[in-house]
Amino acid sequence: DAGVIQSPRHEVTEMGQEVTLRCKPISGHNSLFWYRQTMMRGLELLIYFNNNVPIDDSGMPEDRFSAKMPNASFSTLKIQPSEPRDSAVYFCASSLVPEPEAGANVLTFGAGSRLTVL
Amino acid sequence: QKEVEQDPGPLSVPEGAIVSLNCTYSNSAFQYFMWYRQYSRKGPELLMYTYSSGNKEDGRFTAQVDKSSKYISLFIRDSQPSDSATYLCAMRGGGYQKVTFGIGTKLQVIP
Repeated sequence: DAGVIQSPRHEVTEMGQEVTLRCKPISGHNSLFWYRQTMMRGLELLIYFNNNVPIDDSGMPEDRFSAKMPNASFSTLKIQPSEPRDSAVYFCASSLVPEPEAGANVLTFGAGSRLTVL
Repeated sequence: QKEVEQDPGPLSVPEGAIVSLNCTYSNSAFQYFMWYRQYSRKGPELLMYTYSSGNKEDGRFTAQVDKSSKYISLFIRDSQPSDSATYLCAMRGGGYQKVTFGIGTKLQVIP
């Protein structure tokens, strides 16, 4: 398996523009997570999908952020309009829930999308 | 106060040293404790996990959990330059609960 695939790897945009980040989870995983990582706040969970259904979106910062998972192999995170404070690395991760054995909700992360909003 | 506290470092050690990385937490509901390693410009990858209190060893790595003190540790023996990375502790409660991460400690092992 190629792992979790994210695109684009880097995005530089201007304030007010729409940004769409994409994620392909590991085949067979039924859960998908979007995280945001900054130096000041570390890794923060934005939203969690299970079987393509959003379960926990309490971490989505505001209405400018939206996420979809139209099928088991694809998810998007959209920011509209973007602001400089949205600059961060956005990670997608997938896992199998419940775990096949007593485990720790092992998350497999993608390489991340580094977003810079000017 | 954050649920999970972790010193961001950086921590610089000579090759061969024993490294101790630590996190404290405040949520007594946490049951699963994990350590992720993140190389520069990469996503985090799971290194080890433990359930409840106790020790777990995997090669040069040992994870310890002390639930009574709400304190977890990761020890790296005979540290190597390839261990240079950011180490994030992570934890969650039983059932579905979101995984809460520490901010990560940046480690550099000097040859």
